[in-house]
Amino acid sequence: NAGVMQNPRHLVRRRGQEARLRCSPMKGHSHVYWYRQLPEEGLKFMVYLQKENIIDESGMPKERFSAEFPKEGPSILRIQQVVRGDSAAYFCASSRQDTNQPQHFGDGTRLSIL
Amino acid sequence: KNQVEQSPQSLIILEGKNCTLQCNYTVSPFSNLRWYKQDTGRGPVSLTIMTFSENTKSNGRYTATLDADTKQSSLHITASQLSDSASYICVVSAGNFGNEKLTFGTGTRLTIIP
Repeated sequence: NAGVMQNPRHLVRRRGQEARLRCSPMKGHSHVYWYRQLPEEGLKFMVYLQKENIIDESGMPKERFSAEFPKEGPSILRIQQVVRGDSAAYFCASSRQDTNQPQHFGDGTRLSIL
Repeated sequence: KNQVEQSPQSLIILEGKNCTLQCNYTVSPFSNLRWYKQDTGRGPVSLTIMTFSENTKSNGRYTATLDADTKQSSLHITASQLSDSASYICVVSAGNFGNEKLTFGTGTRLTIIP
């Protein structure tokens, strides 16, 4: 997984707080994807971004969740007013522009809500 | 609804033995099929990626097959090693250039015992 950097690796928040998850894509990759993985379940698509643009956010809850990929800096997945059900592993992946290219994943951020 | 089903859910084999993992999918429009390996606590790592016209692809001791007519794929692991212990995830990509969407299976948990 060298290249896609996610931080923090573990994040603990109390109900009602905000969680910010960061993802720096591989060098040369302009496409970023966020996924959520619940225990014993497959990864679920949340949002797909290119620099400064949200391309597809069909997998993201309408409320409390937002994502950005600014011109400079990492992509951010932001969860406001967290609830227990937000506890999960959140993975970021990046790819080059070409289709049929593998997505390279980071090692994820494990979010725990107390 | 796009779906990816994998079998078996879990598998235990002796070191040095071969094994085959199965994947059935209903995804449209089909773009490509990928196999990923996910170690515990890590992000998925790409093993193979196959388009519609490819029947088989190898990556070292890993060989993936694809039958686009029956919508089935398999991952064959030869001469297993302890480091092969991981979850193996079948992922099918649907959509067109610039907006592929991945559907993940829940994975096969493979354990290699000495």
